[in-house]
Amino acid sequence: EAQVTQNPRYLITVTGKKLTVTCSQNMNHEYMSWYRQDPGLGLRQIYYSMNVEVTDKGDVPEGYKVSRKEKRNFPLILESPSPNQTSLYFCASSLLLPGISPDTQYFGPGTRLTVL
Amino acid sequence: AQKVTQAQTEISVVEKEDVTLDCVYETRDTTYYLFWYKQPPSGELVFLIRRNSFDEQNEISGRYSWNFQKSTSSFNFTITASQVVDSAVYFCALSAANSGGSNYKLTFGKGTLLTVNP
Repeated sequence: EAQVTQNPRYLITVTGKKLTVTCSQNMNHEYMSWYRQDPGLGLRQIYYSMNVEVTDKGDVPEGYKVSRKEKRNFPLILESPSPNQTSLYFCASSLLLPGISPDTQYFGPGTRLTVL
Repeated sequence: AQKVTQAQTEISVVEKEDVTLDCVYETRDTTYYLFWYKQPPSGELVFLIRRNSFDEQNEISGRYSWNFQKSTSSFNFTITASQVVDSAVYFCALSAANSGGSNYKLTFGKGTLLTVNP
């Protein structure tokens, strides 16, 4: 089954304790991205990747890191989480069509993170 | 800059009513893509439809239909004969290459919470 998976689905942690949220897709998609969803602010992009070893900042990258060492995986790293990073996080992936135009982005199930 | 406006924060209807969710977008790009996603209470984001800027044909899929009008920069979504299972937050989104860049991020509207009451 074609899908985007994220782990963990729920996480409660404390300020400053490094954590990684994994994202994996089995659709051979080039493009992957992380979004966070907050009440009143909607969904905002954190980081994106056009392909292996190619990553760049989105709209709200502060406090996050990413890596893209394999095409299927795009982990989100919080080196020193803070309470303002409490949010619902989504990973997404899509094909890049000829001429580099975007295809539909498919989303993982979400990771609900609470930082105390 | 890209922007998506969903002016309706919440809509409440009774089952079997028709309901239209509005979406207005702004972009300077001539090539862009519009999407609708559904977020049910379980929280996942479910893709509903994708439209490119060159295709203004309206689309119908079962009880769902979409009206894309470039002249008014709108991409409205209608649910006919609504059902309780349609209760969800619906997001309209826009994707286009930023001028001088290559990030095909989705710019989302704030969403419309649709409640369908029995």
